[in-house]
Amino acid sequence: GNSVTQMEGPVTLSEEAFLTINCTYTATGYPSLFWYVQYPGEGLQLLLKATKADDKGSNKGFEATYRKETTSFHLEKGSVQVSDSAVYFCALRGYGYSTLTFGKGTMLLVSP
Amino acid sequence: SQTIHQWPATLVQPVGSPLSLECTVEGTSNPNLYWYRQAAGRGLQLLFYSVGIGQISSEVPQNLSASRPQDRQFILSSKKLLLSDSGFYLCAWRGILSGNTIYFGEGSWLTVV
Repeated sequence: GNSVTQMEGPVTLSEEAFLTINCTYTATGYPSLFWYVQYPGEGLQLLLKATKADDKGSNKGFEATYRKETTSFHLEKGSVQVSDSAVYFCALRGYGYSTLTFGKGTMLLVSP
Repeated sequence: SQTIHQWPATLVQPVGSPLSLECTVEGTSNPNLYWYRQAAGRGLQLLFYSVGIGQISSEVPQNLSASRPQDRQFILSSKKLLLSDSGFYLCAWRGILSGNTIYFGEGSWLTVV
């Protein structure tokens, strides 16, 4: 079946530090890959997505590249801000599937 | 534009009481609708999804149920809540206008006491 594994948190960084949150997946065929962000007390918001190999999703300074050879979709940001503190979820939607499979989420804490 | 509304936002219920969480989507037709739960310290778990009126798929056996009485309305229910039902419940949708992306509502916090 489909599964997503992402690094456990919390990830604690100082403002302007470089961020990487690792995400790897297991799926048959060619899934679509997503990063969602959940700010404290709120629902999930789509951060970025990629639908085929070598696609790069980007939004708000965050980037992730769909790497089929390593089955990975790592989230990166060159310079984090305090306002980026949130829980980040990696997810996939298998080809032909209607539902998302999520990782367990990674909490990011950014201090001034 | 498409919007999703979910209510109530916060709910405190005693063990054994019933539950009803409602979700509606606007601006699209015949969406796929989903209920997810996020328990403390755990990831997101798909509970139910629906591809049409009256069509419900259950992913996890539990004392919850879902119904879709109208095209853009999705209801999560329970006849008798358990302590373990506490969590953050998220409604979501996917439709023609969203491509392959699933969008989430603001969520409902349920505390069973």
